[in-house]
Amino acid sequence: EAGVAQSPRYKIIEKRQSVAFWCNPISGHATLYWYQQILGQGPKLLIQFQNNGVVDDSQLPKDRFSAERLKGVDSTLKIQPAKLEDSAVYLCASSLAGGGNEQFFGPGTRLTVL
Amino acid sequence: GENVEQHPSTLSVQEGDSAVIKCTYSDSASNYFPWYKQELGKRPQLIIDIRSNVGEKKDQRIAVTLNKTAKHFSLHITETQPEDSAVYFCAASDGGYQKVTFGTGTKLQVIP
Repeated sequence: EAGVAQSPRYKIIEKRQSVAFWCNPISGHATLYWYQQILGQGPKLLIQFQNNGVVDDSQLPKDRFSAERLKGVDSTLKIQPAKLEDSAVYLCASSLAGGGNEQFFGPGTRLTVL
Repeated sequence: GENVEQHPSTLSVQEGDSAVIKCTYSDSASNYFPWYKQELGKRPQLIIDIRSNVGEKKDQRIAVTLNKTAKHFSLHITETQPEDSAVYFCAASDGGYQKVTFGTGTKLQVIP
């Protein structure tokens, strides 16, 4: 079984630039999560999709972050414009259905904003 | 919303000793409590989980206990080995389609 795929693995940008991350979940997983993990901290949920609908985005900074999951499969997370404090690892995870199931994480994208 | 607190933030033990990590949660509706292990530079991976209809669950050297009344749950690792060194995260969810809230993590160091 293929795992959760993410790209790119690393990205370095200047502040005020834009960046986009891509995630392909495990086949058949209805729930997809985007987390932000700052060094030394636990993953912070940014947005959770159930199929192509948003379940929770209460911690997504909507003035600069956006995410979509077209057709209930792949997802993209965008930051526009980026700030220094956005430097972090962005983890995508998927689960069969909902938070009551094991989450499988992708390798993450390490973003550095200069 | 749910708030998960985790202690201690760092823990050093001698190889062969036991390690205990504790978490508390605030939402009485939470009924699913997973534990994830994250090795340096790697992704988090589930090591054990427990649901609220069970008080304790074991898997070889790892066990998790849950006290619903007190709203706390703990991870117990016995006979620790150097490969147990990692950051461990607890989490809580209501098991439905609501979000999973993670604790702040415990960095465990097993000294050979």
